[in-house]
Amino acid sequence: DARVTQTPRHKVTEMGQEVTMRCQPILGHNTVFWYRQTMMQGLELLAYFRNRAPLDDSGMPKDRFSAEMPDATLATLKIQPSEPRDSAVYFCASGLVLGSGANVLTFGAGSRLTVL
Amino acid sequence: AQSVAQPEDQVNVAEGNPLTVKCTYSVSGNPYLFWYVQYPNRGLQFLLKYITGDNLVKGSYGFEAEFNKSQTSFHLKKPSALVSDSALYFCAVRDIANAGNNRKLIWGLGTSLAVNP
Repeated sequence: DARVTQTPRHKVTEMGQEVTMRCQPILGHNTVFWYRQTMMQGLELLAYFRNRAPLDDSGMPKDRFSAEMPDATLATLKIQPSEPRDSAVYFCASGLVLGSGANVLTFGAGSRLTVL
Repeated sequence: AQSVAQPEDQVNVAEGNPLTVKCTYSVSGNPYLFWYVQYPNRGLQFLLKYITGDNLVKGSYGFEAEFNKSQTSFHLKKPSALVSDSALYFCAVRDIANAGNNRKLIWGLGTSLAVNP
């Protein structure tokens, strides 16, 4: 089965350090999403790409977070500087959306980030 | 405003009994509706979706969901629960009237299902 690959699976870092999370979407998928999951907030959409172009990053704290898709096989989410409140599980998901089709997303296993 | 509500944080059911996980939605137009499941330490997995057509949608692992337009609900059901169904279940909606490239889903907060042996 095709899968979305995320690295690292776990990351423990100290406040102020830069964190980069990577995602390899499923080949042929044209949309990529970054989500953050916490107990308090549930699933929050951070950023969304279609055909590698950023379409919506309104959910992302712009002063410290950045998301890019340097090519079709790689999406990155960077936090600089990291803060303890960024501790969460970060999910990447990809999907193939054609026309007005319904999104069925495939999620990666997540990157669990702990900022001390 | 578009929204999804999962009114129960947790549902407990005995193995072999039927289960229902509730979801209600609010969109300005016609909805696309989805259910996803998350097992511990895993990403979300797609279960089923409603786009148009038959109000009863069948999905993976024996789950089904019933779309009720008048009640704006899309409850997830299974006739006989298994212990292995214990997981976190998410309902999501997209308003198909969204113009342009907006393909965002609106997610519920999730319902934790515990199936007791």
